[in-house]
Amino acid sequence: EAQVTQNPRYLITVTGKKLTVTCSQNMNHEYMSWYRQDPGLGLRQIYYSMNVEVTDKGDVPEGYKVSRKEKRNFPLILESPSPNQTSLYFCASSPSQVSYEQYFGPGTRLTVT
Amino acid sequence: SQQGEEDPQALSIQEGENATMNCSYKTSINNLQWYRQNSGRGLVHLILIRSNEREKHSGRLRVTLDTSKKSSSLLITASRAADTASYFCATVETGANNLFFGTGTRLTVIP
Repeated sequence: EAQVTQNPRYLITVTGKKLTVTCSQNMNHEYMSWYRQDPGLGLRQIYYSMNVEVTDKGDVPEGYKVSRKEKRNFPLILESPSPNQTSLYFCASSPSQVSYEQYFGPGTRLTVT
Repeated sequence: SQQGEEDPQALSIQEGENATMNCSYKTSINNLQWYRQNSGRGLVHLILIRSNEREKHSGRLRVTLDTSKKSSSLLITASRAADTASYFCATVETGANNLFFGTGTRLTVIP
């Protein structure tokens, strides 16, 4: 089944403790991205990747890192999480460019205390 | 720099009625996309309309795009309780590589 998977789905952590949210897609998509969703603010793009080893900042990249060493994986790294990073995070992929429909993962609900 | 803004923020209708949601954006775009999200879950792509298209249909969905007014509308005909969800428009600026989402319209269809 074609899909985007994220792990973990739920995470509660403490301020400053490094964490990684994994994202994987099995559709051989070139374009992948991370979004965060907050009430009243909609979805905002954090980082995106046009292809392996090519990443770029989205709208709200501060406090996040990403890497794209393999085509299928695009992990999101929070080196020192803070409470304002408490949010619902979505990974998405599309065939080649952002101009194609995005396939979204199920989401990761992160709480930083 | 959020591109899309949906209107209304919330909409409640009876089953069988039509639902119309509007989206306005700020700059020239490559395409505009509509997504649906059931509570707390991942977004699902509904329809994409390119900047040189004016109208597109998919089942009970009809999307229009007016680039002169920088606006789009999503019409859901003969609504069903299962259509209850949040609907988002998303735009790709001309020449850009990222997607900007609006804040969404929360649709409730009452059985």
